[in-house]
Amino acid sequence: AQKITQTQPGMFVQEKEAVTLDCTYDTSDPSYGLFWYKQPSSGEMIFLIYQGSYDQQNATEGRYSLNFQKARKSANLVISASQLGDSAMYFCAMRELQGAQKLVFGQGTRLTINP
Amino acid sequence: NAGVMQNPRHLVRRRGQEARLRCSPMKGHSHVYWYRQLPEEGLKFMVYLQKENIIDESGMPKERFSAEFPKEGPSILRIQQVVRGDSAAYFCASSLYQAAGQPQHFGDGTRLSIL
Repeated sequence: AQKITQTQPGMFVQEKEAVTLDCTYDTSDPSYGLFWYKQPSSGEMIFLIYQGSYDQQNATEGRYSLNFQKARKSANLVISASQLGDSAMYFCAMRELQGAQKLVFGQGTRLTINP
Repeated sequence: NAGVMQNPRHLVRRRGQEARLRCSPMKGHSHVYWYRQLPEEGLKFMVYLQKENIIDESGMPKERFSAEFPKEGPSILRIQQVVRGDSAAYFCASSLYQAAGQPQHFGDGTRLSIL
C-alpha cells in the first residue's frame, strides 16, 4: 500500500531564507509520480512540482526544487529565497501509475514565513 | 481558460438533509477525482470517474454517498442523510489523461458544514 509521511507539522522560517520540507514515501510499485501542492489559507490546492520515479534529474520550477533520493524514498521540497506569500500548508503526494492513479497525500506541513 | 469549477463554495445543511456538490472539470478533461479533507489533515481519495463510468470508488463510504459524471454536465457528489461527521472540505480534481507526469488540477473545494 502507498504511504506518504511528512514529519514536520510546522516550520518557521525568516523571509529570504531557503527552506526544506521533508517527505518520505513507501510503495512497492516501481513506477510512480511524486507531487507537491500548496494550500494557502484561502483553501485552494495549487500544483507546484512533479518528479517521476524514473527521472534522472531533480525537478525544478522557479524557486521550487525537489530533492529526490530514490534509494532513501525521500522527495523533499526546497523553496529558495522564501517570501511572505509562501506561508501556507504544503502537501506531498504520490501517484502509482497503475490502476486508478489516485493521489495519496501526506498530512502536510504548515510553513510560516516571518518578516 | 477556466480551471476546475466547483460549486457551491460553501454549503450548510442540517442533519438528515441531502448535499449535492458539483464539479465541472477543465475543458477537455475526462478524468475526475473526488477527495475529502478533514481539518488539519491531508486529502483522502474518494472516487475516480470517467464520463458515465465509475472507475474506482474504493474510498467512498458504502452508504449515503454516491457520485456520477454524466455524458453532459458536471460531476456530482451526493451525500444523503448527512451527519455531523460529513463536515469537511470536498475537492474535485481533473486530468487530461492518465500519464506519469500529468498533474491533477484541483478546484477550490466545497466546504460542507452540518448543523
